Amino acid sequence: QSALTQPASVSGSPGQSITISCTGTSSDVGGYNYVSWYQQHPGKAPKLMIYDVSNRPSGVSNRFSGSKSGNTASLTISGLQAEDEADYYCSSYTSSSTYVVFGGGTKLTVL
Amino acid sequence: QVQLQESGPGLVKPSETLSLTCAVSGYSISSGYYWGWIRQPPGKGLEWIGSIYHSGSTYYNPSLKSRVTISVDTSKNQFSLKLSSVTAADTAVYYCARQKVGADFDYWGQGTLVTVSS
Repeated sequence: QSALTQPASVSGSPGQSITISCTGTSSDVGGYNYVSWYQQHPGKAPKLMIYDVSNRPSGVSNRFSGSKSGNTASLTISGLQAEDEADYYCSSYTSSSTYVVFGGGTKLTVL
Repeated sequence: QVQLQESGPGLVKPSETLSLTCAVSGYSISSGYYWGWIRQPPGKGLEWIGSIYHSGSTYYNPSLKSRVTISVDTSKNQFSLKLSSVTAADTAVYYCARQKVGADFDYWGQGTLVTVSS
């Protein structure tokens, strides 16, 4: 069981927007602005898409955005494209002895 | 361009020690950042194993702490993972990554599959 809770799957049609949630506690997501999101295509290493809740690394499309409310962080992908089909993971710093926790991952299907 | 590359045996016997090295290029480990290990069992999610600062200070996932050692060799610009007393449950793709403050892993190696089997 992962420390952060994500939906197992989401789907959307090309051009649409989707949102993936990541729910934690006040010890991790809710307590710090250290939430990250990763995209992982099959057989590939994860790629950082969002860091510190809402910041995009250089080179990441502005179709990807992040936000947080309380103990839940969200990743929104607008203008869905076929290449966005992948697994998405959230992570957070935690004040518990675990230090770093990941979500269980969400499979995005572009219909 | 920061690049990381994992290396080590792809097959380890049960009860033995898994050893991997991550070679870093394009950035000097001595300059800062944390450097971490993350693993992913086949078909499953990501699990943080532990991280090390360039000075050598470490912190580990409590669920693995008794079996994990992470070390750094700044002269070779690389860091290493040792996981002792492995079982089939330790079969996974092991990634090394550069870690910013918090839980941001901004550069990743390609990953290496380690299978635990006799």
